[in-house]
Amino acid sequence: GQQLNQSPQSMFIQEGEDVSMNCTSSSIFNTWLWYKQDPGEGPVLLIALYKAGELTSNGRLTAQFGITRKDSFLNISASIPSDVGIYFCAGQANAGGTSYGKLTFGQGTILTVHP
Amino acid sequence: EAQVTQNPRYLITVTGKKLTVTCSQNMNHEYMSWYRQDPGLGLRQIYYSMNVEVTDKGDVPEGYKVSRKEKRNFPLILESPSPNQTSLYFCASSYDMGGTEAFFGQGTRLTVV
Repeated sequence: GQQLNQSPQSMFIQEGEDVSMNCTSSSIFNTWLWYKQDPGEGPVLLIALYKAGELTSNGRLTAQFGITRKDSFLNISASIPSDVGIYFCAGQANAGGTSYGKLTFGQGTILTVHP
Repeated sequence: EAQVTQNPRYLITVTGKKLTVTCSQNMNHEYMSWYRQDPGLGLRQIYYSMNVEVTDKGDVPEGYKVSRKEKRNFPLILESPSPNQTSLYFCASSYDMGGTEAFFGQGTRLTVV
């Protein structure tokens, strides 16, 4: 199946620093998503991107859908302790076509924020 | 409150003993899906369903079955569990037929010994 490579695998930062993580794919995706998972919980959607080149913000979070459709990045500005968790990218390859409901997730980025 | 409810939250079982993990959503979503989460591998999709009586394989369907007899429920069935199915399982539902903007359950941690 399709694969997403997410990097970095983990990050240790100081409170107040900005964070950047990205995902790349060997094939084209029509939708890119970013989720956050808190310990002991299921993932929660942060940002959804539906159009190549799209740049979307949600508070201190900004994500972009790469022009090539094969990558996406997530930035977190001025990190705070509650940003701690695992961040996942996810992609959907076929908008309205076969395997429409099939989602592929990256391996996750574990974020630790030191106060 | 809008939610996806999985049961049980924790389960330890023995190899070969059939088990079912239930999933129920109260948002009238058409789309439901099951994932397993393993360290270093992220979430991998097992099966998904875009409507009642319609199910499709995800990336790792081997060893699992699902059914969608009614909109709100999407049980995951392991007919003959094996130790390599020890994992953290998540059910999700979405108003979006492509399953993109999904609500996830709290997870079921399964151990097969």
